[in-house]
Amino acid sequence: GESVGLHLPTLSVQEGDNSIINCAYSNSASDYFIWYKQESGKGPQFIIDIRSNMDKRQGQRVTVLLNKTVKHLSLQIAATQPGDSAVYFCAERIDTGFQKLVFGTGTRLLVSP
Amino acid sequence: NAGVTQTPKFRILKIGQSMTLQCTQDMNHNYMYWYRQDPGMGLKLIYYSVGAGITDKGEVPNGYNVSRSTTEDFPLRLELAAPSQTSVYFCASSYSDQGRGNTIYFGEGSWLTVV
Repeated sequence: GESVGLHLPTLSVQEGDNSIINCAYSNSASDYFIWYKQESGKGPQFIIDIRSNMDKRQGQRVTVLLNKTVKHLSLQIAATQPGDSAVYFCAERIDTGFQKLVFGTGTRLLVSP
Repeated sequence: NAGVTQTPKFRILKIGQSMTLQCTQDMNHNYMYWYRQDPGMGLKLIYYSVGAGITDKGEVPNGYNVSRSTTEDFPLRLELAAPSQTSVYFCASSYSDQGRGNTIYFGEGSWLTVV
């Protein structure tokens, strides 16, 4: 079946700490995994993605790790800032002729100053 | 570029009323999508379009209709609104060419309440 789930619904961290948000997926045919950030009252915003043939990809302060063996995806945020407070969604893209995204339920990240 | 623009931002409907959520994008994307997001949940795909004149159902199409007469516009029509359609609606778009990365760009959302 198709499902993308998150292990923790809420993650609270102190400013300056590193944050790790986890995600499990079940579809081995997914070719892309994407992390989105959604601030209150706004639409999801693309953060970083990773192709299924990669294990790691780094962006600015963010790193995505993909472990296909256990079907696990994580988003690492370095030196977390109050502005990082938001809900983070992972999504897997299944290419069935069009780019179908299956979203997880989201993890809320709370950053305390 | 304005990106993906949705209107209205907020709307209250009575049961049985109809309305259209407007969506337009100025990025010349082929693909467009409508998602709904219920409280505390992820996004569910309602309808999508791979180009002008072509639309198809997503995961939760019942109670909705769409059209795609131009590349830019992808309106979502709610006929006979029901309380179960109370949700936040997001329009999105993307390139069809996988070589361009295929990130999906979302609008800011339309908050719809059916009472």
